[in-house]
Amino acid sequence: GGIITQTPKFLIGQEGQKLTLKCQQNFNHDTMYWYRQDSGKGLRLIYYSITENDLQKGDLSEGYDASREKKSSFSLTVTSAQKNEMAVFLCASMGPANSDYTFGSGTRLLVI
Amino acid sequence: AQSVTQPDARVTVSEGASLQLRCKYSYFGTPYLFWYVQYPRQGLQLLLKYYPGDPVVQGVNGFEAEFSKSNSSFHLRKASVHWSDWAVYFCAVSQMNYNQGKLIFGQGTKLSIKP
Repeated sequence: GGIITQTPKFLIGQEGQKLTLKCQQNFNHDTMYWYRQDSGKGLRLIYYSITENDLQKGDLSEGYDASREKKSSFSLTVTSAQKNEMAVFLCASMGPANSDYTFGSGTRLLVI
Repeated sequence: AQSVTQPDARVTVSEGASLQLRCKYSYFGTPYLFWYVQYPRQGLQLLLKYYPGDPVVQGVNGFEAEFSKSNSSFHLRKASVHWSDWAVYFCAVSQMNYNQGKLIFGQGTKLSIKP
């Protein structure tokens, strides 16, 4: 079976710092997603990519950049971390149209 | 606007009791609906999904959900909860365009189990 791996699992950053989160999948899925999870707010889409080198903005893209240089990997960059920010970032991938999502276990971010 | 609302942020039930978690959606067109579960410090796992057809869908671990177009609802049910069901549950609707499949999530319902 396949797996989605997110690194790091925990990330502590300083205000104003640029921080990069990584996601790798070995399903050979075309489409990958980055979601942000805040307590009491569900998950909100930041960026997604339907193929290598494609990038599409979600509802929450301001303050983030993304990169899909290989089909198997999708990186997310927080361009300037905000003080007291605390959230979980979840990566997901999806195979052919209408197939199921698979989620990674998340990166927990704390900005001090 | 397309949205999903889970009106109950927290639900507590006794072990062995029945469960219903509520989900209301707002969507133009035919929705594809999902329930996901998130155990502590893990990603989301699919419980069940609704594609147009039979309104009652069966999922894993004894969960089922019923789609109602008239009520714009997709409530999750289980006849008898187990302590291992202690988790956060998310309802979601899909913008199922080809090759995009973006999900819109509700706020989540945290389920606690009393012994």
